[in-house]
Amino acid sequence: EAEVAQSPRYKITEKSQAVAFWCDPISGHATLYWYRQILGQGPELLVQFQDESVVDDSQLPKDRFSAERLKGVDSTLKIQPAELGDSAMYLCASSGNRGAYKYEQYFGPGTRLTVT
Amino acid sequence: AQSVTQLDSHVSVSEGTPVLLRCNYSSSYSPSLFWYVQHPNKGLQLLLKYTSAATLVKGINGFEAEFKKSETSFHLTKPSAHMSDAAEYFCVVRPDNYGQNFVFGPGTRLSVLP
Repeated sequence: EAEVAQSPRYKITEKSQAVAFWCDPISGHATLYWYRQILGQGPELLVQFQDESVVDDSQLPKDRFSAERLKGVDSTLKIQPAELGDSAMYLCASSGNRGAYKYEQYFGPGTRLTVT
Repeated sequence: AQSVTQLDSHVSVSEGTPVLLRCNYSSSYSPSLFWYVQHPNKGLQLLLKYTSAATLVKGINGFEAEFKKSETSFHLTKPSAHMSDAAEYFCVVRPDNYGQNFVFGPGTRLSVLP
């Protein structure tokens, strides 16, 4: 069964360092999402891509966060510099554009970030 | 603005007894509604979805949910809890049938006692 891949699964970094997360969506899925999930809360959308274009990044803290999906397939989310408040689970999801499963989002296992 | 309320932050049931996780939503449009489950340190898995077809929706692992427009509710139920059901459950609304932005509820943690 096709899955969304994310790496690393766990990341510990010091405050003010740079950190990057990678996501490979399900093959053929044009839409890719990055979410941040703070412990004890539901996920919040950071950025949404349609192919290689950003559709929604209204909740992305653009002074320190950046995201790209250069070839419309895999994606990287970067934080520079990391702050203590960035400690969270970062989830990637993808969805297709056709058929009965249109708009269903499939999630990867997430990257647990701890900033010390 | 769209929002999702999950009325209980924590529900505890005994194994073999029914499960009820409550969800209410507000949406300006006819919504699509979803329930996702998240086991510890894992990603989210889709349990079931409502997309304007039958109001009673059956999902995986014996879960089902009923869409009640008059009550703006989409409660999740299961007749008999299993130990493996212990997890965090999220009710999610997609406000209309054209956009793809999900709004997540805060989650309900389900504990299953032996």
